[in-house]
Amino acid sequence: NAGVMQNPRHLVRRRGQEARLRCSPMKGHSHVYWYRQLPEEGLKFMVYLQKENIIDESGMPKERFSAEFPKEGPSILRIQQVVRGDSAAYFCASSLDSNTEAFFGQGTRLTVV
Amino acid sequence: KQEVTQIPAALSVPEGENLVLNCSFTDSAIYNLQWFRQDPGKGLTSLLLIQSSQREQTSGRLNASLDKSSGRSTLYIAASQPGDSATYLCAVGRTGGGNKLTFGTGTQLKVEL
Repeated sequence: NAGVMQNPRHLVRRRGQEARLRCSPMKGHSHVYWYRQLPEEGLKFMVYLQKENIIDESGMPKERFSAEFPKEGPSILRIQQVVRGDSAAYFCASSLDSNTEAFFGQGTRLTVV
Repeated sequence: KQEVTQIPAALSVPEGENLVLNCSFTDSAIYNLQWFRQDPGKGLTSLLLIQSSQREQTSGRLNASLDKSSGRSTLYIAASQPGDSATYLCAVGRTGGGNKLTFGTGTQLKVEL
């Protein structure tokens, strides 16, 4: 029973490029959460999705960031026109429902050069 | 707005010591509280999950307590070992959104031989 799988583990992008981060939840989990950990800061909630729906995106930056969780396939966090300040570790978590324990993936470390 | 504070920010102890990590939160309307471990460059490992109706949880050498009324939780580690060296994160889930977690900035623990 595989855990939450995130890929890639490390991603390097030049300023202005797009970054796509993928998250495959645990088997049977239909709730996905994305968090960002900036250098020297704590993890911050970004967005909460269920299959095909965004439930809460109160932590998402207003521009350049988007997330989806299609009916088939992984959840995708997309960052357009990346800037140096986007360099961070992005973690995904999944759960059976909104109130059962969420399990975290290993994270994707994005470096913008 | 929920704020989570962890004290101390860093801690260095000799092997074998018992130690206590502290977590405080400003809004007592929580659904649950979790303690995580994060190793450098790695993901989050859930250590203990305490539901709001519980007072404590134990797992091996770890014991976590929760006092909702005072907005505090402690993580007790007995007989510390060098392998316990990591950053310990406290996270609070709010009522109605259990897995939208608010994280503290962590306590960086080093257990020396």
